[in-house]
Amino acid sequence: KAGVTQTPRYLIKTRGQQVTLSCSPISGHRSVSWYQQTPGQGLQFLFEYFSETQRNKGNFPGRFSGRQFSNSRSEMNVSTLELGDSALYLCASSPDHPEGYTFGSGTRLTVV
Amino acid sequence: DQQVKQNSPSLSVQEGRISILNCDYTNSMFDYFLWYKKYPAEGPTFLISISSIKDKNEDGRFTVFLNKSAKHLSLHIVPSQPGDSAVYFCAAKTSYDKVIFGPGTSLSVIP
Repeated sequence: KAGVTQTPRYLIKTRGQQVTLSCSPISGHRSVSWYQQTPGQGLQFLFEYFSETQRNKGNFPGRFSGRQFSNSRSEMNVSTLELGDSALYLCASSPDHPEGYTFGSGTRLTVV
Repeated sequence: DQQVKQNSPSLSVQEGRISILNCDYTNSMFDYFLWYKKYPAEGPTFLISISSIKDKNEDGRFTVFLNKSAKHLSLHIVPSQPGDSAVYFCAAKTSYDKVIFGPGTSLSVIP
């Protein structure tokens, strides 16, 4: 079966711009979680969506937002980009159990 | 406030020897622990997990030990192979809450 698909793979944006990242989960998975990975910080939890509702939220500023559609696809938006937002953004889907967490390959965002 | 800690950023082990990766946590409400492995340019992949009601779980060359009183868990890889070279993330969660990851330990298995 197809894995978790994240698009785009790479992105370069300038400070102040906004960006939207997309995640298509494995078919049948209703939970989608987003993580930010930076060197030395590991994976920082952004938010989790389950059946179109935000179920959990991490400690990121309001510039980071997300949503989930009825087909479970999810988007993450970052507004007013800052240099510190440069990171690998990972999406993980699951049928609702952490063992079922399947990660995509991530979107590498560079803010210049 | 890091609830899941991996105090060794890197570890080097000879092929065939045992690799021991350590993880400490602060939240006593965690009831499920996981290890993920990540290769460069790929997303993390699930390796092994353990419920808080157990103190050991084994899957082939991988064994996870949990010491709840010390809030400590460890991943043992025996024997270590060059293909095991990757970043290993320890993670923990409470029921239906978010999964919290540690900062990772980069393992290098030297042939």
